[in-house]
Amino acid sequence: EVQLLESGGGLAQPGGSLRLSCVASGFTFSTYAMSWVRQAPGKGLEWVSGISGISDSGGSTYYADFVKGRFAISRDNSKNTLYLQIFSLRAEDTAVYYCAKDLGSGGSSFDNWGQGTLVTVSS
Amino acid sequence: SSELTQDPAVSVALGQTVRITCQGDSLRSYYASWYQQKPGQAPVLVIYGRDNRPSGIPDRFSGSSSGNTASLTITGVQAEDEADYYCNSRDSSGNLVVFGGGTKLTVL
Repeated sequence: EVQLLESGGGLAQPGGSLRLSCVASGFTFSTYAMSWVRQAPGKGLEWVSGISGISDSGGSTYYADFVKGRFAISRDNSKNTLYLQIFSLRAEDTAVYYCAKDLGSGGSSFDNWGQGTLVTVSS
Repeated sequence: SSELTQDPAVSVALGQTVRITCQGDSLRSYYASWYQQKPGQAPVLVIYGRDNRPSGIPDRFSGSSSGNTASLTITGVQAEDEADYYCNSRDSSGNLVVFGGGTKLTVL
């Protein structure tokens, strides 16, 4: 059974930074592209960033236009863990952050999601 | 990046058929995927590719596409289908991912 478990969320100060983690199990983590998707309170889903698996592009990273250099996605295949570093936190970064596994079809289908970790940016 | 547009809300009577649409230029090149999200829960993939259902998704869910519009059809809607539905696809560059704004489905 595929499991994705996020952690690292919480209350953070504006201007600060945070690192989110997502531990994966139940599949060969290294071979699948992974993404972070966020959802602000009462709002829709918003794709944040993605990273390829070793089978295609060898860990290439991709970011939504709004990221503007403030986010960094990475993965440690030896630990089956996906990361998202967020710098210069803003109030509008307040959201539940989900990690999602790509189906592997070469498209943008996310067939498994974690339960999410809530990031609240407030002074 | 490109945008995907969904109607904010749709309602349907129990047992009837409903179509939820998603429009965007990138859909001329890429298939949409569809997700169901219930309050307080993570999204669940219900349709991907041309018209594929992951294991465990009832066959009353189906997908189709024409031009710049993708559609999710639920035939014989059940009360448990009341949820938010989101489409997504690659953007026009093929490297990024975009989501539609979501459609809240109400079952009457």
